[in-house]
Amino acid sequence: QITLKESGPTLVKPTQTLTLTCTFSGFSLSTSGVGVGWIRQPPGKALEWLALIYWDDDKRYSPSLKSRLTITKDTSKNQVVLTMTNMDPVDTATYYCAREWYDSSGYFPVDYWGQGTLVTVSS
Amino acid sequence: DIQMTQSPSTLSASVGDRVTITCRASQSISSWLAWYQQKPGKAPKLLIYKASSLESGVPSRFSGSGSGTEFTLTISSLQPDDFATYYCQQYNSYWFTFGPGTKVDIK
Repeated sequence: QITLKESGPTLVKPTQTLTLTCTFSGFSLSTSGVGVGWIRQPPGKALEWLALIYWDDDKRYSPSLKSRLTITKDTSKNQVVLTMTNMDPVDTATYYCAREWYDSSGYFPVDYWGQGTLVTVSS
Repeated sequence: DIQMTQSPSTLSASVGDRVTITCRASQSISSWLAWYQQKPGKAPKLLIYKASSLESGVPSRFSGSGSGTEFTLTISSLQPDDFATYYCQQYNSYWFTFGPGTKVDIK
């Protein structure tokens, strides 16, 4: 059974750095083709990819947020960590972690999601 | 970035209706398109991948079609459980992007 779960602060102040951890089970991030990423959704708005890290440490970032994001993995702990600097009230959103993967035929879309964690940015 | 648009943004329909949602990409994405259903307070659920392949466990009333830049999601006979928001997502390019969503509500 594959599960992912996000953890981190529910409230951060403007200008602070947000650190979120995704802890997963049922698959390994050392398996060829597997990736774990972060997607956010402001209240009442659409989904937005933030960052993605693959089994081989290939990292991808949202072009518009790249300067603020860092994604890392700890394969032994089955964890992926996202940091986002200089938080602003517009970054208030539910943050999801998700599994993505590819094989020789191409990419596959996210098939497993965490439950999401609401992060509010306010002083 | 590849930009995704969806139409309509909101759709009011009745149980039993045939519903069609359109998704367009700003450039060709071949068939690398997925559809997700999201209900309030829940994570999205994958319905369709590779434009027309039904994810395991998804009812057959859902179908997808299209290639290149224009895609459709069809619900053949809307059920009470189908009132939700639907998102398309391209996964063709180095960076994946979602559409803005289509909310299907009760007429």
